[in-house]
Amino acid sequence: GAGVSQSPSNKVTEKGKDVELRCDPISGHTALYWYRQSLGQGLEFLIYFQGNSAPDKSGLPSDRFSAERTGGSVSTLTIQRTQQEDSAVYLCASSSRTGWNTEAFFGQGTRLTVV
Amino acid sequence: AQRVTQPEKLLSVFKGAPVELKCNYSYSGSPELFWYVQYSRQRLQLLLRHISRESIKGFTADLNKGETSFHLKKPFAQEEDSAMYYCALSAFGNEKLTFGTGTRLTIIP
Repeated sequence: GAGVSQSPSNKVTEKGKDVELRCDPISGHTALYWYRQSLGQGLEFLIYFQGNSAPDKSGLPSDRFSAERTGGSVSTLTIQRTQQEDSAVYLCASSSRTGWNTEAFFGQGTRLTVV
Repeated sequence: AQRVTQPEKLLSVFKGAPVELKCNYSYSGSPELFWYVQYSRQRLQLLLRHISRESIKGFTADLNKGETSFHLKKPFAQEEDSAMYYCALSAFGNEKLTFGTGTRLTIIP
């Protein structure tokens, strides 16, 4: 596809269950980001992957959160033992630098509801 | 370290009035600055970048290195400008984008 794709679009889960959120970035993009957007709030940085470098995990809120990026492409964000405060829209973005030009392209997000 | 500050979480402006969304940044090197916008039920998308010195949908933003600011301005607000706006910074040589927390702009008819 032409854009960043995220699945599922919506996920309702019971408190305490684990969830996996998937992101398919734009082909060839070396950078991949995960953000969280709570209701009415701004963007909260979670994790950043750049090529083969070690990811920047500085935004992960707790050790229940983890993310992988396999083969430099698809990424999975895993939340273990979900809590109600994890309810939010999780956004993925990818980018690639061309000279001075860096533009991030965002997916449509996964709306996670923990009940 | 890179940091972007948007001091206003919410901003309401009457239609036809000027709009200014504030953005300040902290970075010691040469920054690239961007504004992203998210309209209702749409994806977050790039609005403009300082390197292009462009005007998109009537919006402009000037990089002021002395004040470390990149405020977004429009002389006459339109109802369709209501959206969430994010300022972002990237450092030359480091691709990582750092976003501010965003400002929700509401245009009052």
